[in-house]
Amino acid sequence: TQLLEQSPQFLSIQEGENLTVYCNSSSVFSSLQWYRQEPGEGPVLLVTVVTGGEVKKLKRLTFQFGDARKDSSLHITAAQPGDTGLYLCAGRGGGKLIFGQGTELSVKP
Amino acid sequence: GAGVSQSPSNKVTEKGKDVELRCDPISGHTALYWYRQSLGQGLEFLIYFQGNSAPDKSGLPSDRFSAERTGGSVSTLTIQRTQQEDSAVYLCASSQMGLAGGGNEQFFGPGTRLTVL
Repeated sequence: TQLLEQSPQFLSIQEGENLTVYCNSSSVFSSLQWYRQEPGEGPVLLVTVVTGGEVKKLKRLTFQFGDARKDSSLHITAAQPGDTGLYLCAGRGGGKLIFGQGTELSVKP
Repeated sequence: GAGVSQSPSNKVTEKGKDVELRCDPISGHTALYWYRQSLGQGLEFLIYFQGNSAPDKSGLPSDRFSAERTGGSVSTLTIQRTQQEDSAVYLCASSQMGLAGGGNEQFFGPGTRLTVL
C-alpha cells in the first residue's frame, strides 16, 4: 500500500516567518501534486512536479520533488495570513491519486 | 456552471437511514472521483469513473457504499444504513482526462458534510 506522510501536521507561525512542509513516502510516484484547501471548500491544485529533483516556484512558494521521486517539500517564504489553510500533497501511483493527511497552517498577523 | 457542484452542502441523518449525495462535474470532463475527508485528515479515495470504462471501486469501505454515473455526467454516491463512522465531508472531483493522462488536474467541488446522529 502506498502511503504519503506529511509533517508537520499542524503549524502556527507569525506573519513574515518562513516554513517548510514535508511529504515523504517509501514508494516512488510518477508525479506529485500539492493542493491547498480552505474551510468549506474543496482542494485547489497549486503545482504538479514530475521529474526527480524538479523545483518549481509559485510567487513565495517553492516546491521540490526528491531525486528518487519518493518525497517532496513545500517552502513558503515570508508567510502571509492569506497562506492559512490545509496543504495536501498527492502522489500519482498504482492508477490512483494518493493523498497525504495534510498540514494545517495558521499564519497570525 | 463553471465548476464542480455538489448537493446538498450539508446533510444530517439518523443512524440506519440511507443518503444520496450528488455531484455535477465540469462539462466535458471524462473522469469523476469521489473522496471522503474526515476532520483534520487527508482525502480517502472512494471510487473513480473514467468514460465508459468500469469504475474503480477499490476504495469503497463497505458494500453499504455505492455510486453511479449516469450519461457520463452527473454522479450519485449512495450510503445505505448509515453509521456514525460515516460522518465526514464527501468530496467529488472531475478531470478532463483520467488518471492515465499523467499530471492531469482534478477540480474539486465544495463537498457535502454528512453528519450521522
